[in-house]
Amino acid sequence: GAGVSQSPSNKVTEKGKDVELRCDPISGHTALYWYRQSLGQGLEFLIYFQGNSAPDKSGLPSDRFSAERTGGSVSTLTIQRTQQEDSAVYLCASSPGQGGNNQPQHFGDGTRLSIL
Amino acid sequence: QKEVEQNSGPLSVPEGAIASLNCTYSDRGSQSFFWYRQYSGKSPELIMFIYSNGDKEDGRFTAQLNKASQYVSLLIRDSQPSDSATYLCAVKDSNYQLIWGAGTKLIIKP
Repeated sequence: GAGVSQSPSNKVTEKGKDVELRCDPISGHTALYWYRQSLGQGLEFLIYFQGNSAPDKSGLPSDRFSAERTGGSVSTLTIQRTQQEDSAVYLCASSPGQGGNNQPQHFGDGTRLSIL
Repeated sequence: QKEVEQNSGPLSVPEGAIASLNCTYSDRGSQSFFWYRQYSGKSPELIMFIYSNGDKEDGRFTAQLNKASQYVSLLIRDSQPSDSATYLCAVKDSNYQLIWGAGTKLIIKP
């Protein structure tokens, strides 16, 4: 079956430009997560969506970052006025739900963002 | 601040030996525990999860959970060079939030 799909796989842009990253979760998964991973570092939580509930934005590093999830499925992460420190791999994951025990997250292949 | 801690490594293990990866967590009410493998340049992939005390085996992998001591470990038997990767521990805490460790880099030497 189809896994989590992210696009683009690579994005190179100039400092100051806006970028949009897309995530299409596994069909039927109600929970969707965005993470950032810099080279050689661990996962940095950014934002989490669960069904129709208000998203948990506690991990967004600045107000240049925003995300939305339309129709409870596809999500877009937007970074405005990009800075060089935004360069990282942006990973999206989905899971069947938040509660309960065995709800592992399944990851997409990520978007490698490079800010020149 | 709820934490999940792992030794960053690298942990070097000879081929064919047992690799033992450890993870400790701070929230005593944590519910379930996940091990992910991440190859360089790739995204994390789920290896296995465990939520009851004791051992859970899946092929060459065994997860061990000790809630009283607040640690979870992953054993890899008959280690292969293809097991070389970073292993991430993730813990679902009492609020069902998934807390990630920073990962342990494992190197299997032929």
